[in-house]
Amino acid sequence: QKEVEQNSGPLSVPEGAIASLNCTYSDRGSQSFFWYRQYSGKSPELIMFIYSNGDKEDGRFTAQLNKASQYVSLLIRDSQPSDSATYLCAVTSNNNDMRFGAGTRLTVKP
Amino acid sequence: NAGVMQNPRHLVRRRGQEARLRCSPMKGHSHVYWYRQLPEEGLKFMVYLQKENIIDESGMPKERFSAEFPKEGPSILRIQQVVRGDSAAYFCASSETGGSNSPLHFGNGTRLTVT
Repeated sequence: QKEVEQNSGPLSVPEGAIASLNCTYSDRGSQSFFWYRQYSGKSPELIMFIYSNGDKEDGRFTAQLNKASQYVSLLIRDSQPSDSATYLCAVTSNNNDMRFGAGTRLTVKP
Repeated sequence: NAGVMQNPRHLVRRRGQEARLRCSPMKGHSHVYWYRQLPEEGLKFMVYLQKENIIDESGMPKERFSAEFPKEGPSILRIQQVVRGDSAAYFCASSETGGSNSPLHFGNGTRLTVT
């Protein structure tokens, strides 16, 4: 079982719709959860992080964490073509290593 | 530029040569991580270092790969006797505290091509 799993996609949504990206993790001791965005040929950039169960909102982005289900998600409201990228879920545990999922490729169609 | 600096951006090596990848963390950051990314794949953890210490190298191949982060100067990822399978993007990231709550900030990566 992979440590961090994501649906590889591609996920395609029309402009203005909500994009929902999902991630599950295997280590119940995981403490912190991050979402990174990576444009093709570029480096990952941090979008959001979440540490506690529930929702965390930042602009058009909402991260949701459910530790009991070992599940973390990212919602992107009012999706824009510029949101088209690969979204990487990352998880850290007690050893402080950050492990990444394979990423979900999102395409927002105008 | 106060971000994570990696060089070179692109590196071409013939099979059997050595590759040296450099990473200078963000100012004030003393924790460095190296990741490898193959095309269309996610980031694979390789090694986590602090100044003069290797904290976790569980993702490093047992042979040919080594990493260091000396007291002075950048972190170095060294690949000896490169093979075609080493061709990938190698990303360095740094964090301020190294704690589990500390986000990583990534450099632009080094694209290694082995011919």
